[in-house]
Amino acid sequence: EDQVTQSPEALRLQEGESSSLNCSYTVSGLRGLFWYRQDPGKGPEFLFTLYSAGEEKEKERLKATLTKKESFLHITAPKPEDSATYLCAVQAEGNKLVFGAGTILRVKS
Amino acid sequence: DAGVTQSPTHLIKTRGQQVTLRCSPKSGHDTVSWYQQALGQGPQFIFQYYEEEERQRGNFPDRFSGHQFPNYSSELNVNALLLGDSALYLCASSASGVHGYTFGSGTRLTVV
Repeated sequence: EDQVTQSPEALRLQEGESSSLNCSYTVSGLRGLFWYRQDPGKGPEFLFTLYSAGEEKEKERLKATLTKKESFLHITAPKPEDSATYLCAVQAEGNKLVFGAGTILRVKS
Repeated sequence: DAGVTQSPTHLIKTRGQQVTLRCSPKSGHDTVSWYQQALGQGPQFIFQYYEEEERQRGNFPDRFSGHQFPNYSSELNVNALLLGDSALYLCASSASGVHGYTFGSGTRLTVV
């Protein structure tokens, strides 16, 4: 059964303190790994799609990487506006996305 | 260009009632998926519609049903509501053959 586990569940950072979020996955036939950002009461906002091990993508202070077993979302010098829940999802056979429970990130100034 | 539009934004229903949620996909998208997100959890896949047919279904009971119209918009119907159906219901649209999903802001359903 396809499964996604995210860690940590919650992360508190000081502004400027870099860190990484982890997404471990078990899936048969990975078609894509997705990172989304979700603000309270809102729908997920697309960040990145990764397709193969070794692939990396960057956007502003965020960088996503992918291995055969896990993905990391690196946050460099975060700001308070980066506070949100970060969701990881995999697309396997068929078309559905299987999500992890998310990591709640709080960045304090 | 409008993204995915969902209505209503909030809804309160009584146990045993029925509810219909609506979704208009992003322009150019022809595939609509529905997800249920309980508080503190990641979204769970309910089903996906393409060419007005249910193409894939998650582990949800038959009380959950849907429809897709010729203009690609979609409805999610839930019958015999339970307290446990309280959640944020998300609609995601995509273009067939293209990876990537755009989510709407969701409908917050509260069952009392």
